[in-house]
Amino acid sequence: DAGITQSPRYKITETGRQVTLMCHQTWSHSYMFWYRQDLGHGLRLIYYSAAADITDKGEVPDGYVVSRSKTENFPLTLESATRSQTSVYFCASDSGNEQFFGPGTRLTVL
Amino acid sequence: GESVGLHLPTLSVQEGDNSIINCAYSNSASDYFIWYKQESGKGPQFIIDIRSNMDKRQGQRVTVLLNKTVKHLSLQIAATQPGDSAVYFCAERVAGTALIFGKGTTLSVSS
Repeated sequence: DAGITQSPRYKITETGRQVTLMCHQTWSHSYMFWYRQDLGHGLRLIYYSAAADITDKGEVPDGYVVSRSKTENFPLTLESATRSQTSVYFCASDSGNEQFFGPGTRLTVL
Repeated sequence: GESVGLHLPTLSVQEGDNSIINCAYSNSASDYFIWYKQESGKGPQFIIDIRSNMDKRQGQRVTVLLNKTVKHLSLQIAATQPGDSAVYFCAERVAGTALIFGKGTTLSVSS
């Protein structure tokens, strides 16, 4: 099916563990994004990528790492999870006219 | 700094009424604005957009108004329905394709 998917949809982990959130899009859009959504802050940009092997920091990049070896995939890694990283994470891709969002991953760090 | 915000965190309307959701932006260099709708448990969904060379744009039951003089953006929903209940975000496009989002307005529609 065409679209943008995220996995897992829900994740519970412990402080200090490494966690990777996956994002996959089938449109071959060049631009992809990772946002986190928290009450009182709306959507905040973590990282974005203009193309394969090109990534750049957004507003809140600390504690996160991204890679883009293939156009269709844009994984987000929390190298050592902290409780402050408990949030809902959204991946998005951009057609040039519109940004499409995935269904989100709800991450809880205990 | 750049910021995009909404005037009211919540808005409650009766079914059939017209709804107006407001947004203020601070970056006069922004040239593209978008409204998104987010239903509970889902990702944001594109509603309508407007470029800075326009004052008004209409879609199906929705209208976006842009007032560049006061840096104000609004979303009007005609004949609001229960299915319109959601959180609405405005966003501005700066630095290429990176969007900056406002904090959101929760629209509640009662029958």
